[in-house]
Amino acid sequence: GAVVSQHPSWVICKSGTSVKIECRSLDFQATTMFWYRQFPKQSLMLMATSNEGSKATYEQGVEKDKFLINHASLTLSTLTVTSAHPEDSSFYICSARPPGLHNEQFFGPGTRLTVL
Amino acid sequence: AQSVTQPDIHITVSEGASLELRCNYSYGATPYLFWYVQSPGQGLQLLLKYFSGDTLVQGIKGFEAEFKRSQSSFNLRKPSVHWSDAAEYFCAVVPLKAAGNKLTFGGGTRVLVKP
Repeated sequence: GAVVSQHPSWVICKSGTSVKIECRSLDFQATTMFWYRQFPKQSLMLMATSNEGSKATYEQGVEKDKFLINHASLTLSTLTVTSAHPEDSSFYICSARPPGLHNEQFFGPGTRLTVL
Repeated sequence: AQSVTQPDIHITVSEGASLELRCNYSYGATPYLFWYVQSPGQGLQLLLKYFSGDTLVQGIKGFEAEFKRSQSSFNLRKPSVHWSDAAEYFCAVVPLKAAGNKLTFGGGTRVLVKP
């Protein structure tokens, strides 16, 4: 149980285009999902907290117009990197928190984004 | 400042030898504590967690961790390492009463296993 998937697992795009990454909780409903960014050989940095039915809460320094988050259902959150540039290349990981488990998150396998 | 520190960036250990990864935290009250493992190009897998109670916590894959309040530490151990344990290990905390129950990660420790 508590499986989280991400799609795609990797994506290569041209500079200036937008890329959408999906995060799904497969066997539970998640009112809260989180989006992290991880640079090579570095730790995970929280980008935003995604709450179903409401606007995402972004961490300081994260551009909300650049990284659009939509949590349209209890099992799906999407991260759209708009007008991507090479510096947006990174590993993006989502996590989901089942209801009632306020302190645990289950992580997706990550999405490798490369912007040319 | 509140933080999670993993002092060792890299650790190399021989297969079959014991392993200990250090984690220290700096918070006013003991946070909820976690250890995750990340294989290359993969997401994170929870090894174990500590919320309260017995300070020696057993996890998956033969790992255990010991919470020491006096040292503000939550070190991860494994008695005998297997080659498949080569990965990146992250200590993480959720501070008590933190808004949104957000995880804060340490910098990670990369474990290399020699044959």
